[in-house]
Amino acid sequence: NAGVTQTPKFQVLKTGQSMTLQCAQDMNHEYMSWYRQDPGMGLRLIHYSVGAGITDQGEVPNGYNVSRSTTEDFPLRLLSAAPSQTSVYFCASSYSRQAGVPQHFGDGTRLSIL
Amino acid sequence: AQSVTQLDSHVSVSEGTPVLLRCNYSSSYSPSLFWYVQHPNKGLQLLLKYTSAATLVKGINGFEAEFKKSETSFHLTKPSAHMSDAAEYFCVVIDTGRRALTFGSGTRLQVQP
Repeated sequence: NAGVTQTPKFQVLKTGQSMTLQCAQDMNHEYMSWYRQDPGMGLRLIHYSVGAGITDQGEVPNGYNVSRSTTEDFPLRLLSAAPSQTSVYFCASSYSRQAGVPQHFGDGTRLSIL
Repeated sequence: AQSVTQLDSHVSVSEGTPVLLRCNYSSSYSPSLFWYVQHPNKGLQLLLKYTSAATLVKGINGFEAEFKKSETSFHLTKPSAHMSDAAEYFCVVIDTGRRALTFGSGTRLQVQP
């Protein structure tokens, strides 16, 4: 009964380093997305995917890349980390693109960029 | 574009007293609205959802919310607060263009003993 699994839970990077945040779901969900959470701003959408091989940009995509080679996995890549990317990152999934379908969230990855 | 505004960043209540967390929405058509809760260092959990069926929506843990189109509001209530309700609560609307969630800025609920 894993649901949405994010790894790592915590990470510290130096400016300019790259890394990949992993997200996997075992519910055969079609829709997956990445959000970042910053104090006082709620969650903001970075990228999303409506199925394997299909991705699109959200509200704050700059500095991040994604790919969706399988239904289960949706990794988020930071190409060259910047202090402004210090945040908590959440991956979410749902079984349908239809409005009203609730999303399942992972427990988050806490990322600090020095 | 759809948006939500949470009117209080912090709410403090005593255990056993009612809870009211306020949310107004902006949408050009009938929205899908949600309330999510986030406990410290955890992901988000769905409390309840409104998708144009009954205007009074009941959720988990005794929470409910009423959709009022005339007031463009979707306030979250609970008759009696419990210590375990202390968390951050997010009002959320579906961005139907992206099929993604648009979040309010959150309301931190404190429950005093």
